[in-house]
Amino acid sequence: SQQGEEDPQALSIQEGENATMNCSYKTSINNLQWYRQNSGRGLVHLILIRSNEREKHSGRLRVTLDTSKKSSSLLITASRAADTASYFCATAGQYSSASKIIFGSGTRLSIRP
Amino acid sequence: NAGVMQNPRHLVRRRGQEARLRCSPMKGHSHVYWYRQLPEEGLKFMVYLQKENIIDESGMPKERFSAEFPKEGPSILRIQQVVRGDSAAYFCASSPTDRGRPQHFGDGTRLSIL
Repeated sequence: SQQGEEDPQALSIQEGENATMNCSYKTSINNLQWYRQNSGRGLVHLILIRSNEREKHSGRLRVTLDTSKKSSSLLITASRAADTASYFCATAGQYSSASKIIFGSGTRLSIRP
Repeated sequence: NAGVMQNPRHLVRRRGQEARLRCSPMKGHSHVYWYRQLPEEGLKFMVYLQKENIIDESGMPKERFSAEFPKEGPSILRIQQVVRGDSAAYFCASSPTDRGRPQHFGDGTRLSIL
């Protein structure tokens, strides 16, 4: 299975601090994606990093990818209360011709005011 | 530019009844994916469809579950003879192409079995 696994499962930080979440996966990938899910809602795509990229930024988000370690991290800087949500990594397989993406079990992030 | 629309948002069924969940993908998207999510867990892939074709149903239970995406109209996830264990949130996502592109999600249907 190429399923991503997030670490930690739950994270609680003070507003303004940085939040780091990690994802590990098992097989070769075409790309890795991060999604956010607010309570009771569907997932929202945040950022996609390709297998030949090492780092990518989008606003307060920074994603790194280490294909040799089969791991990725999502950093949210200067956290806000609105960042409270579950965050999922998802991997797209390298060789599948009709590539579905496989989701990890998520990190539940709580931002304390 | 409407997003992925799922209905109903909440569905209550008694054991043995049928549940029909509908998903209208984003305009211009021909690839639809169905996922199941239990509380505090991640999404489990069920089935991937293109118009009139099932591409990958490796995550679908062999019995009672079926999915379709007809030429006209929404994609339907059908669960026959529901049991308590079918209680979950079912999410639909769509994308314009496959190859692992980002998916756009609906807000899900929460199915409760009495």
